Amino acid sequence: GQQVQQSPASLVLQEGENAELQCNFSSTATQLQWFYQSPGGSLVSLLSNPSGTKHTGRLTSTTVTKERRSSLHISSSQTTDSGTYLCAIEDSGTYQRFGTGTKLQVVP
Amino acid sequence: EAAVTQSPRSKVAVTGGKVTLSCHQTNNHDYMYWYRQDTGHGLRLIHYSYVADSTEKGDIPDGYKASRPSQENFSLILELASLSQTAVYFCASSDKSSAETLYFGSGTRLTVL
Repeated sequence: GQQVQQSPASLVLQEGENAELQCNFSSTATQLQWFYQSPGGSLVSLLSNPSGTKHTGRLTSTTVTKERRSSLHISSSQTTDSGTYLCAIEDSGTYQRFGTGTKLQVVP
Repeated sequence: EAAVTQSPRSKVAVTGGKVTLSCHQTNNHDYMYWYRQDTGHGLRLIHYSYVADSTEKGDIPDGYKASRPSQENFSLILELASLSQTAVYFCASSDKSSAETLYFGSGTRLTVL
């Protein structure tokens, strides 16, 4: 089945720095989503980007389908960005599989 | 605002006991899912459903049953709880297919002793 690898596993940034998170997957993705999990555990979708580049606020995702990779760029990081970022992939099946996430800590 | 409500928020169960986790959505979504989250494993799908009275197996269904009595409700049942089922369980819903955004509940922390 689909394998989803995220890197780095953890990241510490100074406030204002940029973050680059990576997601690699093993087979063709028909859907790719980035999720944010707060330190308290709640999960929300950030954006959906199965191919190309998509922007929302300070977030930019670039997915290169044929290379089976996606990145999430967070610009001008804030302490409130701290949490875990999860990549989820759907291939030809009917549900999404998740990576193990990147834990981001932004310090003042 | 899409809403997925899980109950209970936390539960302590004994090994061999029966546990039922409940999920209710007011999104009018066809698809509902149960995921478990363990440290180092991320979220893994246990069961899902795309229509009432029907459930499907996900990647890790062993030891779990699911029930979808109505479009709004989806339960996860552990008939004989085991220590290895200690985890945080998330319910989610989506519209028509999983290509749509998943809306998650707040999770249930289950501890099996």
